[in-house]
Amino acid sequence: QKEVEQDPGPLSVPEGAIVSLNCTYSNSAFQYFMWYRQYSRKGPELLMYTYSSGNKEDGRFTAQVDKSSKYISLFIRDSQPSDSATYLCAIGYNQGGKLIFGQGTELSVKP
Amino acid sequence: DTGVSQDPRHKITKRGQNVTFRCDPISEHNRLYWYRQTLGQGPEFLTYFQNEAQLEKSRLLSDRFSAERPKGSFSTLEIQRTEQGDSAMYLCASSLGNGLAIYEQYFGPGTRLTVT
Repeated sequence: QKEVEQDPGPLSVPEGAIVSLNCTYSNSAFQYFMWYRQYSRKGPELLMYTYSSGNKEDGRFTAQVDKSSKYISLFIRDSQPSDSATYLCAIGYNQGGKLIFGQGTELSVKP
Repeated sequence: DTGVSQDPRHKITKRGQNVTFRCDPISEHNRLYWYRQTLGQGPEFLTYFQNEAQLEKSRLLSDRFSAERPKGSFSTLEIQRTEQGDSAMYLCASSLGNGLAIYEQYFGPGTRLTVT
C-alpha cells in the first residue's frame, strides 16, 4: 500500500465548474499537507499548505484536511482553462522536510 | 528571476556514461532537496542538504548516485554508469531551514534525463 494515494484521473470539467481533488494517506503521524500544481514539462508550483485539520482558503482554492479519516482535498471554484494542469498532494511528517507525493491528478478545464 | 534554477534542462546520454546536474537554490534558502519524477508519477525524494551537510538519503539513491553541496549554495547530482531506468525528471527544491518552513519547498524546472 502506498503511503499517499491519489486518483490519477484524468479529470475533465467545463469552465466554471467546482473541482474536487482528493488524497488519502496511511500514516497518522503525517502532519503537514501541501498541494502543488504542475504544468506539463515544468517543475511543481506550491499552491497551498496547511498543518491542521479544517479548511484553508486562498482565492478560488480551498484546502481541506480531515486527520480522523486521513483524507485531504483541494477544491477549485470557478475553474478556468488556465487551471488545466496536474495537481499533486504532498505530505510531510518528520524533521527532515522530506515530502511524500501522491501520483498526481491530471485536470483539464474545457472552455 | 530569483527562483530555483537547474542546468541543463535536458540531457540525452548513452547507457554507461556519467552525467552531472546542477541546482542553484533561492539565495536565502539553506535547505536543498533532490527528487526524481517519472512519467505519470509524483516526485520521489532522493536526498536533502542543510547548508553543506547531506542529512538524509533515500534508499532510491544507489551507490551510482552522489550529491554534493560544497559551499552550502549550489548543489550537484552525479549519476555514474547510467542505466535506462535512470531516465526521469530530476527536480531540485529549496526551502528555509527553520520550523515548519522546511515543508514550503520551491521547485526548479527540472532536468529531464534520457538514457539511450
